[in-house]
Amino acid sequence: DQQVKQNSPSLSVQEGRISILNCDYTNSMFDYFLWYKKYPAEGPTFLISISSIKDKNEDGRFTVFLNKSAKHLSLHIVPSQPGDSAVYFCAANISNTGKLIFGQGTTLQVKP
Amino acid sequence: NAGVTQTPKFRILKIGQSMTLQCAQDMNHNYMYWYRQDPGMGLKLIYYSVGAGITDKGEVPNGYNVSRSTTEDFPLRLELAAPSQTSVYFCASSYPKNAAGYTDTQYFGPGTRLTVL
Repeated sequence: DQQVKQNSPSLSVQEGRISILNCDYTNSMFDYFLWYKKYPAEGPTFLISISSIKDKNEDGRFTVFLNKSAKHLSLHIVPSQPGDSAVYFCAANISNTGKLIFGQGTTLQVKP
Repeated sequence: NAGVTQTPKFRILKIGQSMTLQCAQDMNHNYMYWYRQDPGMGLKLIYYSVGAGITDKGEVPNGYNVSRSTTEDFPLRLELAAPSQTSVYFCASSYPKNAAGYTDTQYFGPGTRLTVL
């Protein structure tokens, strides 16, 4: 049972435009959500996170939105840059467990 | 700081062979984790540890064993390699976020690509 789902395997956008990556979850116990970015042959690196008590968190070009009623979160990248081309993983966590549940990932390609 | 290091980077095993994937971190993190990533899939948790001497199973522990004798090291053991264990293995570590022990950001190593033939 996939508790965290990223239904779009890939996304292609033009440089300078907005990239929107989506993630859905099923477990209402999740209370912390994270986005990781992964380049080929490297480990995932932390990008941005959001607590379930918030609905938005910004960090520079990256903004994560959380809609708890819809059990949906999204990552917005504005403006997109070619260096953003990578696989993006959504992950969810239940407090005090320390265990992350990952989505399948979305491959973002930003074209110059 | 080197962060999280993993060895080897690549390995080919024959069915039935055994090996240990090494993981070390120099950030004094209490929590350490092992994940595997299969093609087109997300990362799945194999085992994790909240401190030296304490380990617990994740989502997919069958066929693996771990130990945590020090804060720095968290090796993953494959006893009888099977083709289904062909995957990329990632080790990660984190530090409790707050007094309640809640953790969020995990720092990952570069991975070990394992092929079992």
